Amino acid sequence: ILNVEQSPQSLHVQEGDSTNFTCSFPSSNFYALHWYRWETAKSPEALFVMTLNGDEKKKGRISATLNTKEGYSYLYIKGSQPEDSATYLCAPGSTLGRLYFGRGTQLTVWP
Amino acid sequence: DAGITQSPRYKITETGRQVTLMCHQTWSHSYMFWYRQDLGHGLRLIYYSAAADITDKGEVPDGYVVSRSKTENFPLTLESATRSQTSVYFCASSESGNTEAFFGQGTRLTVV
Repeated sequence: ILNVEQSPQSLHVQEGDSTNFTCSFPSSNFYALHWYRWETAKSPEALFVMTLNGDEKKKGRISATLNTKEGYSYLYIKGSQPEDSATYLCAPGSTLGRLYFGRGTQLTVWP
Repeated sequence: DAGITQSPRYKITETGRQVTLMCHQTWSHSYMFWYRQDLGHGLRLIYYSAAADITDKGEVPDGYVVSRSKTENFPLTLESATRSQTSVYFCASSESGNTEAFFGQGTRLTVV
């Protein structure tokens, strides 16, 4: 079982603030790093899957970076909006296909 | 309809009964997963499957059984339901270990 740590556990920001979260994972035997967005009463939806050290991906106001050598990934949200309120999950993927999720960062954006 | 579907969406069962949760995907994805959602634990992997007839345990497999005789189906069976198995169960599928996983709508199971 991979030890996946996400911080902070929860975050409250004002509309318009930019924010970022961290996902830490074992750097040995790295294969892929997944980020998912999970709204209350819905199913998780994929944001990014990253495989290369130094990878940066962007989708609208959300972006992510990956450092496989030190075992961390950052997720950034620029100009947070109330609709960004959700739990953000990361999961290191393995060559065997397992996906173990971290406990997530719960983001609340106040108008 | 294309996608991944779970059934039933809601289920109430009694302690000791056997119950099966169904998961069906139409993409012919190789990988399929079962997770349970628990407060304070997020999503915990119960079982996963890399292909038809290949399954393996996740973090919390005790009390659960899976099978995968066909690529598109991955049923999860609780052999003798306990109250601690009350949870929301999510099924997911992906093409490979480095592609995104797609989740079903979830099954809310209550064991009384």
